[in-house]
Amino acid sequence: GAGVSQSPSNKVTEKGKDVELRCDPISGHTALYWYRQSLGQGLEFLIYFQGNSAPDKSGLPSDRFSAERTGGSVSTLTIQRTQQEDSAVYLCASSLGSQAKSSPLHFGNGTRLTVT
Amino acid sequence: AQSVAQPEDQVNVAEGNPLTVKCTYSVSGNPYLFWYVQYPNRGLQFLLKYITGDNLVKGSYGFEAEFNKSQTSFHLKKPSALVSDSALYFCAVRIFGNEKLTFGTGTRLTIIP
Repeated sequence: GAGVSQSPSNKVTEKGKDVELRCDPISGHTALYWYRQSLGQGLEFLIYFQGNSAPDKSGLPSDRFSAERTGGSVSTLTIQRTQQEDSAVYLCASSLGSQAKSSPLHFGNGTRLTVT
Repeated sequence: AQSVAQPEDQVNVAEGNPLTVKCTYSVSGNPYLFWYVQYPNRGLQFLLKYITGDNLVKGSYGFEAEFNKSQTSFHLKKPSALVSDSALYFCAVRIFGNEKLTFGTGTRLTIIP
């Protein structure tokens, strides 16, 4: 497809379970970002990748959160032992990154995570 | 460190009137500034950006924004508001050499018919 694809679109899980969220960026985009949007809140930066490496992981809320990117393409955000405060919309975005100075981010439609 | 402030959570404007959504920033270095819009049940969409050059930048849907270095502001404007402009608007900033894009908390714009 032409845009950033995220799956699943919705995920309901029980507290304490692990979840994996997937992001498929636009082909050729070397930079990939994860953000979190909670109800009534702005966008909280989690992590970004340039290629397969993550120069900035400063936004990951705790060691329960991890992310990886393989082949310079698909990325997975994993949340272990989910807590109710993890409930949010997780947004993925991609851009041309360092290939093109100041290229805008293209966002997916997000994964709405609900922890019960 | 870089940060963005959107001082208004909510802005209401009558249809046909000019609108302004405010944004101020703080960075060490020259900023790259962006506006994004989020319509209900849709993803964020890029509106416009300022990198260098002319302080007034024009973007999608008739929106424009003015970069003011002395006031560290990048307010979003439109001469005549449409009901369809009602959405959540985010300002964002990054600096050269750092790919991290920092967003403000968003401003909900409501255009009243």
